[in-house]
Amino acid sequence: KNQVEQSPQSLIILEGKNCTLQCNYTVSPFSNLRWYKQDTGRGPVSLTIMTFSENTKSNGRYTATLDADTKQSSLHITASQLSDSASYICVVSPNQAGTALIFGKGTTLSVSS
Amino acid sequence: NAGVTQTPKFRILKIGQSMTLQCTQDMNHNYMYWYRQDPGMGLKLIYYSVGAGITDKGEVPNGYNVSRSTTEDFPLRLELAAPSQTSVYFCASSYGGAGTEAFFGQGTRLTVV
Repeated sequence: KNQVEQSPQSLIILEGKNCTLQCNYTVSPFSNLRWYKQDTGRGPVSLTIMTFSENTKSNGRYTATLDADTKQSSLHITASQLSDSASYICVVSPNQAGTALIFGKGTTLSVSS
Repeated sequence: NAGVTQTPKFRILKIGQSMTLQCTQDMNHNYMYWYRQDPGMGLKLIYYSVGAGITDKGEVPNGYNVSRSTTEDFPLRLELAAPSQTSVYFCASSYGGAGTEAFFGQGTRLTVV
């Protein structure tokens, strides 16, 4: 069964600290993996998208890594800001031609001052 | 630069009532999607469309209907509202299928009482 599991479920860090969010997936065949940021009461916004041949991609203070062999991805946030408080969702696309994305349940990050 | 626009943002329905959730995009995207997000769960695909006049069921289509008469609009219809349809609904669009980036609307929070 295609699944995307994220950990931790929630995380609290101090402003300025770094953190890493984890994503494990069992989706096969695999096309791409995305990380989305979802602010409270808003729709998800794309942070990164990686194909199986890419093992790292950055977007400002956000860096995603992908290990297609172990089916694991991580999202590293550097020098966190209060505005980073949000839910971070890992999403896997099973294949290029299909339309069904597999969504993780998300990690809720709270950054406090 | 509107992107994907959903209306209304909030709605309370009584059991058995019907309503239409509106979604429009101005990016000339071929693909459009409706998802629902339940508390603590990943987004689930309700219906999708690959172009005007073409729609297909997603993972959780029961109790919903859609139409796609134009490229821009993709309304979601609830005919007989049930408490199980209490959720946050997101419309999304993408230029291509699951291999391309999806853009989400801000969501419609629906409560059925």
